[in-house]
Amino acid sequence: RKEVEQDPGPFNVPEGATVAFNCTYSNSASQSFFWYRQDCRKEPKLLMSVYSSGNEDGRFTAQLNRASQYISLLIRDSKLSDSATYLCVVNAGGTSYGKLTFGQGTILTVHP
Amino acid sequence: NAGVTQTPKFQVLKTGQSMTLQCAQDMNHEYMSWYRQDPGMGLRLIHYSVGAGITDQGEVPNGYNVSRSTTEDFPLRLLSAAPSQTSVYFCASSYGLEANTEAFFGQGTRLTVV
Repeated sequence: RKEVEQDPGPFNVPEGATVAFNCTYSNSASQSFFWYRQDCRKEPKLLMSVYSSGNEDGRFTAQLNRASQYISLLIRDSKLSDSATYLCVVNAGGTSYGKLTFGQGTILTVHP
Repeated sequence: NAGVTQTPKFQVLKTGQSMTLQCAQDMNHEYMSWYRQDPGMGLRLIHYSVGAGITDQGEVPNGYNVSRSTTEDFPLRLLSAAPSQTSVYFCASSYGLEANTEAFFGQGTRLTVV
């Protein structure tokens, strides 16, 4: 079983749609959680951290369920510019602190 | 703002050749790491460093060496290139190891081994 698993998609949605991505992780001792965005042939960039209480940044909402070891990202009112690969990322903590484990990414295409 | 700079951006090697991928950051970050990205695999950690003079292995270290003589630089050396090392390589740095520390990535090096 992969340490961090995502549905690779692709997700094809029209502008204005709401889309949700899910991610599960296997290490119950994981300390911190992130969503990164990667544009085609570019480097990953931090989209948002994920907090236990859930957090929102404009059209983006991230949630964490530690009991189920599950992370989600919700994008509302999708824009063409949201087309990218979304990477679920986990920091294991403990002696592995700082070592990030990546999911394989979920591809999103927003069309007119 | 330079951030994390990787060179070269593209490279083609013949099997058995050696080369060094360069990575430099100007943010005074202690933590630096190298990842490779292959289709359907996500990014996998090769080697990492928590400060000058300290390095350790990640998930896929075989065939690669690193050193960290300064805070700014973290080169990755391929000792004898193999076709299995064809990949996109990313260098990353972060301020520390605390939870929720953002990692900053270089633009990547696309390596093909023939």
